[in-house]
Amino acid sequence: TQLLEQSPQFLSIQEGENLTVYCNSSSVFSSLQWYRQEPGEGPVLLVTVVTGGEVKKLKRLTFQFGDARKDSSLHITAAQPGDTGLYLCAGFPQGAQKLVFGQGTRLTINP
Amino acid sequence: EPEVTQTPSHQVTQMGQEVILRCVPISNHLYFYWYRQILGQKVEFLVSFYNNEISEKSEIFDDQFSVERPDGSNFTLKIRSTKLEDSAMYFCASSLSRVSNEQYFGPGTRLTVT
Repeated sequence: TQLLEQSPQFLSIQEGENLTVYCNSSSVFSSLQWYRQEPGEGPVLLVTVVTGGEVKKLKRLTFQFGDARKDSSLHITAAQPGDTGLYLCAGFPQGAQKLVFGQGTRLTINP
Repeated sequence: EPEVTQTPSHQVTQMGQEVILRCVPISNHLYFYWYRQILGQKVEFLVSFYNNEISEKSEIFDDQFSVERPDGSNFTLKIRSTKLEDSAMYFCASSLSRVSNEQYFGPGTRLTVT
C-alpha cells in the first residue's frame, strides 16, 4: 500500500512568516499534486510535479518534488491570512491511475 | 473556466435505499473518477473509468457500487443498498488524459445515511 504522510498536520503562524509543509512516502510516485480544500468543497488543484528534483513556483508558493520522487514540499513565503486552509498532497503510484492522498495539513495564518 | 459539477450537493437517505450521485465532468476530458472522504479522514479513491469501462477500482468499491456514463455528459455513481458507513462526501473528478494525470475535482455530494 502506497502511503503519503504529511507533516505537520496542523500549523498556526503569524502573517508574514515563512513555512514549509512536507509530504513523504517510502514509495515512488510518477507524479505528485498539491491541492487546497476549503470546508465542504472539493480539492482544488494547485500544481503538479512530475520530474525528480522539479521546482515549481506559484506566486509565494514553491513546490518541490524530491530527487527520488518519493517526497515533496510546499514552501510559503510571507504567509497571508488568505493562505489559511487545508493543503493536501496526492500522488500517482507508478502504473496506477488512482490518486493516493495524504491526510492534509491544516494551515492557519493569524493577522 | 470549465469545471466539474455534481448533483445533488446533499443527499439524505435511509439505510438500505439506493442512491445515484451525478457528475458532469469537464467536456473534453476522457478519464473519470470517484473518490470519497469520510468526515475527518483522507480522500480515498473508489474507481476510475475510461472508454465506458472501469479501469481501476479499490477494495471499497464492492458489488454495492456501480458506475455508468449513460450519455455523453453525465457520469454516475450508484450505491445499491446504502449502509451507515457509506455516509461521506463523494467527489467526482476528471482528467484529459492518463499522461497529464491532472485530475480536477467537483464540489462533492454530501451523502448522509440514517
